[in-house]
Amino acid sequence: AQKITQTQPGMFVQEKEAVTLDCTYDTSDPSYGLFWYKQPSSGEMIFLIYQGSYDQQNATEGRYSLNFQKARKSANLVISASQLGDSAMYFCAMRSGSARQLTFGSGTQLTVLP
Amino acid sequence: EPEVTQTPSHQVTQMGQEVILRCVPISNHLYFYWYRQILGQKVEFLVSFYNNEISEKSEIFDDQFSVERPDGSNFTLKIRSTKLEDSAMYFCASSEFGLAGPKNIQYFGAGTRLSVL
Repeated sequence: AQKITQTQPGMFVQEKEAVTLDCTYDTSDPSYGLFWYKQPSSGEMIFLIYQGSYDQQNATEGRYSLNFQKARKSANLVISASQLGDSAMYFCAMRSGSARQLTFGSGTQLTVLP
Repeated sequence: EPEVTQTPSHQVTQMGQEVILRCVPISNHLYFYWYRQILGQKVEFLVSFYNNEISEKSEIFDDQFSVERPDGSNFTLKIRSTKLEDSAMYFCASSEFGLAGPKNIQYFGAGTRLSVL
């Protein structure tokens, strides 16, 4: 069974500082993908970053990077130079094996303080 | 930039009524999905669709639900007889491919908020 755990229901960060949002996962499949999505208060789900289980390097997309530690089964999202517009709910998700469905974590509500 | 489009943004219906939620996936994508998010809870998978048939479905996707691709662009979710507990945000998503690699990234629409009274 697939499982995603996000242990931080809420996080605060000062504007321009970096923040790490935690995500751990559990799967028995060697092939899987990890995703982070952002959900602003308006409700839409915005794709941020993807990491494949066989990727040798950590994924980066602009100010977003994914700290992928395979042995620890963690896929933490790092947001550098936080902006007020980064305030949102952030979801970690996984697709594993032959399944196409995404399994989501419970989310972390990030608030960026001015 | 191509995007997934969902209509309506908000649907209000009476319990027992049928609703159809509509989605236009990204044009070159081959896999389509529906998810739902009950207020304050995590996003839950409902169904995936490929080559004009359901490829996966969850336990939530019972006989009250159906999906259809009525033409080359639309992808719909029908709830036959709505219940109060169907109130949720429904997200449509699409991906170019279904399995490994960056082309399996699922892009989501803005969602349809369904309110069942």
